[in-house]
Amino acid sequence: GAVVSQHPSRVICKSGTSVKIECRSLDFQATTMFWYRQFPKQSLMLMATSNEGSKATYEQGVEKDKFLINHASLTLSTLTVTSAHPEDSSFYICSANGGGGTEAFFGQGTRLTVV
Amino acid sequence: AQSVTQPDIHITVSEGASLELRCNYSYGATPYLFWYVQSPGQGLQLLLKYFSGDTLVQGIKGFEAEFKRSQSSFNLRKPSVHWSDAAEYFCAVVLGYSSASKIIFGSGTRLSIRP
Repeated sequence: GAVVSQHPSRVICKSGTSVKIECRSLDFQATTMFWYRQFPKQSLMLMATSNEGSKATYEQGVEKDKFLINHASLTLSTLTVTSAHPEDSSFYICSANGGGGTEAFFGQGTRLTVV
Repeated sequence: AQSVTQPDIHITVSEGASLELRCNYSYGATPYLFWYVQSPGQGLQLLLKYFSGDTLVQGIKGFEAEFKRSQSSFNLRKPSVHWSDAAEYFCAVVLGYSSASKIIFGSGTRLSIRP
């Protein structure tokens, strides 16, 4: 099946720094990718829809200046957490719809810890 | 508004016992329905999906789910659980169907297995 690769799997950064997370579709093209945030023992909350070649669409309550999304190619979307704070610590997961849109494929997730 | 409800936050069953995880959705039409499983610190794996046709769908790892339109439900079942089934389970719906379709997740049910 289709594969979505997310990198890094784990990152620790200092408060005030920025962190970039990459999401790649390895064997299919994805014009749209999705970014989710998951707090411990909670469900996945959609943060934004990443659109290749255009601006991302953010869900209500998500700061677009805080979470910068770039989708420069059909196989790569990046999420940059800017000026990170401890409250940004979370598990971030990306996904892309493959198989002609019949199935969502998820990355392995990135555990971000801001100290 | 569209929503997915998983009423059981945590379920514990004995190894070898049967399992049923509940899922109800609220949507004007029949959505596309999914069950995903997530092991700790990992991404999501698709167990099964329902688009149309036979309301009883078979998935991987011995799981099945039944779509009941009259009850707006899509409950997940397994006749005999194994210790390796301990994980978080998410019911999800997709609204519309394209590469840009969003997934809405339920809150999840944590499954523990009693030896």
